[in-house]
Amino acid sequence: GAVVSQHPSRVICKSGTSVKIECRSLDFQATTMFWYRQFPKQSLMLMATSNEGSKATYEQGVEKDKFLINHASLTLSTLTVTSAHPEDSSFYICSARDPGSFTDTQYFGPGTRLTVL
Amino acid sequence: DQQVKQNSPSLSVQEGRISILNCDYTNSMFDYFLWYKKYPAEGPTFLISISSIKDKNEDGRFTVFLNKSAKHLSLHIVPSQPGDSAVYFCAASATGNQFYFGTGTSLTVIP
Repeated sequence: GAVVSQHPSRVICKSGTSVKIECRSLDFQATTMFWYRQFPKQSLMLMATSNEGSKATYEQGVEKDKFLINHASLTLSTLTVTSAHPEDSSFYICSARDPGSFTDTQYFGPGTRLTVL
Repeated sequence: DQQVKQNSPSLSVQEGRISILNCDYTNSMFDYFLWYKKYPAEGPTFLISISSIKDKNEDGRFTVFLNKSAKHLSLHIVPSQPGDSAVYFCAASATGNQFYFGTGTSLTVIP
């Protein structure tokens, strides 16, 4: 079946540094990828929609200058958390839409746990 | 505004019995629904889906029921197994758009 990978799976960084998270669709071309964030004991919240070759669409309340999204190819989207702070510590998950699937299924990556010290 | 709601944060069920997890939504434009299972520190694992043209979809021990008039869906797990213990999220979307997730229900299956 379709697989979406994320790298790294865990990252610990110092406050003020930037962290890049990669999301790859391994066996299909994803024109659209979504980035979600999950706070402890809360639901997944959509941060932004990433479309290949165009600017990402950010949800209300998400700082586009802090969470930089690049969808440079049909199989790769990156999320860069710039000048990370402890409150950015969270679980970040991407999903990729498979337009070729009969049911327009989205596949989720395994997630990246970010800890900012 | 939470468009997808799971009103039960937790559920405990004896092994072998039926687990019923419920989900309500408010947006009548939603036409595709998913259930995900999530273990701690891992990404969600897709379980089962249903589109609005159906009212039931079955896959092994998992059955999803959709009541469009009530804007309600449920996931039935029969028989429940200890390995089913996890957090279950329902999600809904209008085709091609983002998914909206419920807050999750933590299922514990007691051996």
